[in-house]
Amino acid sequence: GQNIDQPTEMTATEGAIVQINCTYQTSGFNGLFWYQQHAGEAPTFLSYNVLDGLEEKGRFSSFLSRSKGYSYLLLKELQMKDSASYLCAVRDNDYKLSFGAGTTVTVRA
Amino acid sequence: IAGITQAPTSQILAAGRRMTLRCTQDMRHNAMYWYRQDLGLGLRLIHYSNTAGTTGKGEVPDGYSVSRANTDDFPLTLASAVPSQTSVYFCASSESAGDGTDTQYFGPGTRLTVL
Repeated sequence: GQNIDQPTEMTATEGAIVQINCTYQTSGFNGLFWYQQHAGEAPTFLSYNVLDGLEEKGRFSSFLSRSKGYSYLLLKELQMKDSASYLCAVRDNDYKLSFGAGTTVTVRA
Repeated sequence: IAGITQAPTSQILAAGRRMTLRCTQDMRHNAMYWYRQDLGLGLRLIHYSNTAGTTGKGEVPDGYSVSRANTDDFPLTLASAVPSQTSVYFCASSESAGDGTDTQYFGPGTRLTVL
């Protein structure tokens, strides 16, 4: 089975940094994805990690440690538009995605 | 407009009725997926299709069926709806069945309420 854990909610101030952790225990590993989902909208792709280390893409970075079953998404210079749910998803050896329940980030002025 | 479309946007359905949720993509993606999203549970895979003419069961397939007659369309059918099928349904597609950095792109969703 797949077990993917991430915090339910986080709150941060505009301009600050927030780190969203994701731990996973899955039957097979073939990459980890982060998606952003605004309320009432579809998830949109943010980042992909398959090797250990940090992937940086503008204000967003994602880190992976396969040996620890751990990833984080780092959001820098937070903006009000970053208020959304962030979904961690692991791709298994059958190339299917299993999603965590999502972390709702609220950015306050 | 390129992307994935879903219909209807929302629907209220009486229990026991049959319902088909439509999904169409114009990106010529080989793989397509149906998920349901429930509060506190995240997205769960219902059925998938790696290529036209093939389908497979996901994590929560019971009560649902799919078909993939061509590349573009992937309808999801509830044969006899039950209240536990109240959810938001997302269709997604990817260029292949998941090789490398292949990313899934999601449609806007269908909000279904079964009474």
